[in-house]
Amino acid sequence: EIVLTQSPLSLPVTPGEPASISCRSSQSLLFSNGYNYLDWYLQKPGQSPRLLIYLGSNRASGVPDRFSGSGSGTDFTLKISRVEAEDAGIYYCMQAVANPLTFGGGTKVEIK
Amino acid sequence: QLQLQESGPGLVKPSETLSLTCIVSGGSITSDFHYWVWIRQPPGKGLEWVGSVYHNGDTYYNPSLKSRVTVSADTSKSQFSLTLSSVTVADTAVYFCARRDLVFPPTWGQGTLVTVSS
Repeated sequence: EIVLTQSPLSLPVTPGEPASISCRSSQSLLFSNGYNYLDWYLQKPGQSPRLLIYLGSNRASGVPDRFSGSGSGTDFTLKISRVEAEDAGIYYCMQAVANPLTFGGGTKVEIK
Repeated sequence: QLQLQESGPGLVKPSETLSLTCIVSGGSITSDFHYWVWIRQPPGKGLEWVGSVYHNGDTYYNPSLKSRVTVSADTSKSQFSLTLSSVTVADTAVYFCARRDLVFPPTWGQGTLVTVSS
């Protein structure tokens, strides 16, 4: 089973400042077709997870361009260039390169 | 536009079987390029993959649930289903269905809360 380790667990951020979340995988998420099967999601209280990034670095439709994903293989990063109040919530990474599909434990972003 | 909608009972008694259906609209359920997934989230906890079904009928399950879970697809009705037997309170969760694709973004349903209680 592929284990995804997110850090930090909690991230207090000031509006307007950048933020970064790491997701490290116990195995490579790079498939033979050249794609990294790593998604990023944001879940706000009482809501379903919202897709932010797929295939490691592709921004989903409607996601503000202040969100970006990078990385390959086993190390991935989600960056928010300038945090806004609406970015508060729990961020999850998810791998889909191999079964069982697995999720990171989540990073709680709180706005100062 | 692809949409997925979970349906099923919101309350199941302990030891009984949980059955959910995901109705797919705006897209084909038979394509080679995607597969269908169930994910769940217990209240206040993280996300957990339950199982997947592929276009050819192949299925994969979470090892922790494997003896109790079945995922299947009904292409004639453009839907896929989840059954989980012998449920306990630990199976109380929001259940999400989703489509995963080789190159396109995944699509999730909005989720449905299933409570296991007598």
